[in-house]
Amino acid sequence: GAGVSQSPSNKVTEKGKDVELRCDPISGHTALYWYRQRLGQGLEFLIYFQGNSAPDKSGLPSDRFSAERTGESVSTLTIQRTQQEDSAVYLCASSRDRVRATEAFFGQGTRLTVV
Amino acid sequence: AQKITQTQPGMFVQEKEAVTLDCTYDTSDPSYGLFWYKQPSSGEMIFLIYQGSYDQQNATEGRYSLNFQKARKSANLVISASQLGDSAMYFCAMREEGSQGNLIFGKGTKLSVKP
Repeated sequence: GAGVSQSPSNKVTEKGKDVELRCDPISGHTALYWYRQRLGQGLEFLIYFQGNSAPDKSGLPSDRFSAERTGESVSTLTIQRTQQEDSAVYLCASSRDRVRATEAFFGQGTRLTVV
Repeated sequence: AQKITQTQPGMFVQEKEAVTLDCTYDTSDPSYGLFWYKQPSSGEMIFLIYQGSYDQQNATEGRYSLNFQKARKSANLVISASQLGDSAMYFCAMREEGSQGNLIFGKGTKLSVKP
């Protein structure tokens, strides 16, 4: 596709259930980022994938959060045993290169509501 | 320590005037990139401007310019001739080459343009 695609766009789940959020990056983009944005807050870094390198997981808030990415394709963010505090918009972004003048393109996000 | 600091939670500017949004950063990596993104109330993240650490000149993109002061580690965004459509959240971000290219965001500044 032309842009970063995230699904679902909205997810309502019961506390304690597991959820999977999907991100389909732009073709050819080696870098992929996951962020969490709580209502009215900034972007909180979760995890970063760069090609076949080991991911930077330093932003994952707890062991209930995990993410996978196979090569340079789709990534899945999984939240186990969801809590109400997990309610937020989860944003995914991809970029073509590690550092140089390549902007990160963002998806529209998945709005997660834990009830 | 915070990598990116945006000290202005909210700013007001009169339509057609210029406004400066502050951003300071912390890094010991000689190679890094600085980015500004706009997030309107609709939620999408819109790339505005990029500055590389080795760029000799300040970046400009239309009404946006980046006042890059490397010694002071500041990368302020200047918006000239503000328009009502500029009302949004603005985020400063940085990528360091040494950190595998992870993209870290500041907490953002909410800009409101008054008619």
